Amino acid sequence: QKEVEQNSGPLSVPEGAIASLNCTYSDRGSQSFFWYRQYSGKSPELIMFIYSNGDKEDGRFTAQLNKASQYVSLLIRDSQPSDSATYLCAVNPDALTGANNLFFGTGTRLTVIP
Amino acid sequence: KAGVTQTPRYLIKTRGQQVTLSCSPISGHRSVSWYQQTPGQGLQFLFEYFSETQRNKGNFPGRFSGRQFSNSRSEMNVSTLELGDSALYLCASATGAAYNEQFFGPGTRLTVL
Repeated sequence: QKEVEQNSGPLSVPEGAIASLNCTYSDRGSQSFFWYRQYSGKSPELIMFIYSNGDKEDGRFTAQLNKASQYVSLLIRDSQPSDSATYLCAVNPDALTGANNLFFGTGTRLTVIP
Repeated sequence: KAGVTQTPRYLIKTRGQQVTLSCSPISGHRSVSWYQQTPGQGLQFLFEYFSETQRNKGNFPGRFSGRQFSNSRSEMNVSTLELGDSALYLCASATGAAYNEQFFGPGTRLTVL
């Protein structure tokens, strides 16, 4: 069973603060990791993609991967009200082959308070 | 570059009917995956097609099927609809290369009455 666990929240942070979202996964063989943002009534939007241990930064977003601990996180710096959404963590156990069968967590709802 | 498109955007069907959903991937992408999203079960993988072949399949009954055409467009079919099939059906497009990224379409909202 490939499980992806996220704290469902809601997570509330003040505008300008750092939001920290966490995700753990059960399949040690998982090869690539995704963070998607989903606004209510919309489809998921890719925010970050990571497959090597360490940090990956893109603008205000930083993804952190620790395969030994089976842990991936997303940091959002200078949080804005427009960042209020549900954040979905996903893992791909077959990334090396190019296959795309992602396993998703249930999502963390983030609210940024102006 | 145009994104992933899905048609129709909304559908209302009754139990026992069948439905076909369509997905056009990003130009140049050869992998199309389908997912079902419900409030209770979240996002679940249905199947993936690559170069007209089903490459992976999730844990869904045989009523759910799909296919992919030579231009990479994909269709998903659900036969003998049940109330529990009401969901947002999402298509995701990727190149199909190792460590590729998946991009989602807007989804088709299916309601079964």
